[in-house]
Parts: sequence; structure tokens; C-alpha cells
Amino acid sequence: GAVVSQHPSWVICKSGTSVKIECRSLDFQATTMFWYRQFPKQSLMLMATSNEGSKATYEQGVEKDKFLINHASLTLSTLTVTSAHPEDSSFYICSARSRSDTDTQYFGPGTRLTVL
Amino acid sequence: AQTVTQSQPEMSVQEAETVTLSCTYDTSESNYYLFWYKQPPSRQMILVIRQEAYKQQNATENRFSVNFQKAAKSFSLKISDSQLGDTAMYFCAFMKWGIGGADGLTFGKGTHLIIQP
Repeated sequence: GAVVSQHPSWVICKSGTSVKIECRSLDFQATTMFWYRQFPKQSLMLMATSNEGSKATYEQGVEKDKFLINHASLTLSTLTVTSAHPEDSSFYICSARSRSDTDTQYFGPGTRLTVL
Repeated sequence: AQTVTQSQPEMSVQEAETVTLSCTYDTSESNYYLFWYKQPPSRQMILVIRQEAYKQQNATENRFSVNFQKAAKSFSLKISDSQLGDTAMYFCAFMKWGIGGADGLTFGKGTHLIIQP
């Protein structure tokens, strides 16, 4: 149980285009989902918190207009990187917290984004 | 804001040995959780162990145990009888708990643990 998927697992795009990453909780309802960013050989940094049906809360320094987050249902959150640039290339990981077990976050496998 | 510090960028031990990874944190919060996550080369984050700050007893999960020193804000991970599959990055993480539920995680920089055959 408590499986989180991400799609796509990797994506390559041209500079200036937008990319959407999906995060799904497969066997539980996720009241809250989190988005993290991980640069090569570095730690995970929290980007934003999204609660189902409400606007996402962004961490300081994260551009909300560049990283659009939508949490339209209890099983799906999306991260859209708008007008992507090479510096947005990174590993993006989502996690989800269930209604029944609010103390633990379950992580997706991550999405590697490369912007050319 | 809270910070998490892992002072050992890399550690290497022989298979079957015991190894301890260090973690310290700083916070003014009273309700929080601490975690150790493992990230193998696949980059999938795997929960190793968690500790509720209000619990005095140290958490254990099979070969993994923690030494939680709340006053010292220290949270070390001990791996007994280390195995080759334990080779991975290990991240210490802090999670604040409030009325609205748990916040996102604050991670340390990680320790790359290598188990030698």
C-alpha cells in the first residue's frame, strides 16, 4: 500500500517550452502533496505544499508563476514548469500524505527534467 | 525555521560492521518528527525509521535504530550488521507538526554510505 507514482519519469524539452509533471497516489487519498527539487549530488529542497482544492503554498524563493501547482483531486497533483530554461533542469520529486496516516509522507520515484 | 545538519558527507565500512550516521537539528518547535530516509541509486526515497519528538524511547526497525537526544537536538542512526544493499545516500529529515497537520520535510545534506564487501 501507499504507492505514489510520477509521470513522466524523465523528460527532455527545449528552452521556452512548458512541461507538466503528474503525481498520483495510487491506493490512498492524499489530502496534501509536496513537491521537492533535487540538484545532482545535493539534498531535497521543499518547493511547495498543495492541499486538495486550494492554492499551493510556495517556499521562499520559489517562483509561483514559473512552477504552477494544481491539486484538483485527492489523488492527483500536477507541477507545470512554465517557459523552462536550462537552469530548471533538475530532479523533481513529489510526496503525498494520506488522510489516515498524516505523520508519514510517501514519495514518488521522481522525474528527471532536462531543458536544452 | 529549522535546520538539519549532517556532518559526514561520506562513510565507508566493511560488510557486517556497525555504522552510526550523525544528524543534528535546530528548531524552536515543540511538536515535530524526525526521519531517516535512504536514497539508493534509483533515487527512490525510502523511509528507514521515524521518531516522534514526544516519545522518549528510541525507535528501532530491525537492524536500524536511532539515538534521539532531544535536549542536545541530536538524532543519529545506527545500522547493525551492515549489508551491501545498505549502500545509499542517507538523509536525516525534520517535520514540524501543527494544528493543520504536518509540514513538508526539511532535509540534511545527506551522508553517502558505502558498504564494502
